[in-house]
Amino acid sequence: SQQGEEDPQALSIQEGENATMNCSYKTSINNLQWYRQNSGRGLVHLILIRSNEREKHSGRLRVTLDTSKKSSSLLITASRAADTASYFCATANQGGKLIFGQGTELSVKP
Amino acid sequence: GAVVSQHPSWVICKSGTSVKIECRSLDFQATTMFWYRQFPKQSLMLMATSNEGSKATYEQGVEKDKFLINHASLTLSTLTVTSAHPEDSSFYICSAVPTGSSQYGYTFGSGTRLTVV
Repeated sequence: SQQGEEDPQALSIQEGENATMNCSYKTSINNLQWYRQNSGRGLVHLILIRSNEREKHSGRLRVTLDTSKKSSSLLITASRAADTASYFCATANQGGKLIFGQGTELSVKP
Repeated sequence: GAVVSQHPSWVICKSGTSVKIECRSLDFQATTMFWYRQFPKQSLMLMATSNEGSKATYEQGVEKDKFLINHASLTLSTLTVTSAHPEDSSFYICSAVPTGSSQYGYTFGSGTRLTVV
């Protein structure tokens, strides 16, 4: 399978709570990226973390990367109803191919 | 920022016909574009890598004669689903990488929902 694993597959939280999504991958990488997809729409790039980085922040987003465990996590703090979407991690290898994880469907209830 | 335009956004076609989907980089040149397919409630599956001026590279299990890719210019790649069948109904998304850039966040088109009846 070309895909890595993401968990949870679905996450439902209340507005204001934090949401944590995890991603594992299988091969060596140059970088790992997180994307957001609203239902039936294209993807929006959220954040990229390079293989030599361990943590990165962007606004309410915090991403960690553990290359020894081949895993990453995305934390969304102080979630809002507008954060409701599917979130995917994707890894880029030397050849430039972007391979996506299975995704986490996040539902933030007002 | 970089913008990728994908057209059409949705299309309905009859079984046996062919459908062409365009992926265009609007404000940058893209030597390489990627085509993905996404079934409902599933992730994106890479179908092929489109390279300007050369043949596309297909992922294992993707029929190159069924999914024809043409990348004739630095701003346009097309995916043609030939002899479409209902099982080809899916969401097709392209992405593009600016020529000469290192591998930062890729820009995605808004996708094409194909329904074959």
